[in-house]
Amino acid sequence: AQTVTQSQPEMSVQEAETVTLSCTYDTSESNYYLFWYKQPPSRQMILVIRQEAYKQQNATENRFSVNFQKAAKSFSLKISDSQLGDTAMYFCAFMKRYAGGTSYGKLTFGQGTILTVHP
Amino acid sequence: DSGVTQTPKHLITATGQRVTLRCSPRSGDLSVYWYQQSLDQGLQFLIQYYNGEERAKGNILERFSAQQFPDLHSELNLSSLELGDSALYFCASSEGGISLLDEQYFGPGTRLTVT
Repeated sequence: AQTVTQSQPEMSVQEAETVTLSCTYDTSESNYYLFWYKQPPSRQMILVIRQEAYKQQNATENRFSVNFQKAAKSFSLKISDSQLGDTAMYFCAFMKRYAGGTSYGKLTFGQGTILTVHP
Repeated sequence: DSGVTQTPKHLITATGQRVTLRCSPRSGDLSVYWYQQSLDQGLQFLIQYYNGEERAKGNILERFSAQQFPDLHSELNLSSLELGDSALYFCASSEGGISLLDEQYFGPGTRLTVT
């Protein structure tokens, strides 16, 4: 079984600054995907960024980037130029990739980190 | 808007009762997933259906059941409700596991309160 740990229950940052959210995971699998989801006060779950474990290059989506360290089983999210709209709970999630490439889709989530961006 | 719809948005019921939560996936998506988000358990996977058949099961209680209908919408049935079942229930959908990465799109959730 996989476990995902987010050790920072809450974080805060000033608008326009950079913040990094931490995530570690434990798995015996070699093929998997990692995700960061954002849950604003509206409660909607929004995919922020994803990383395929077989890719060494860190994923980037505009102001969001990850630092994926496979050997250390670490997957942190960096938010640059923080904006007020980034205020939300952020979840790190793991998905196993099965042989043949298909994914059965079960997401295992961490406990979440509440991020507050201050003006 | 993810394209996944869930009804109702809010549901308040008493202990011992039974409720049905409904989910309509995005057009063309064959897989439906149910997740429960509670203060105690966090966000956890309950069950997945693919084109009408159960594909994966998570921490779903025996009092809970789900199904996916021929039109691909899904229902999650919760019975003999307890106070601890109060949670936000999410449905997500994806194309169906054919592609290498089957991205899931989440609905807005149903907030269940058991009193």
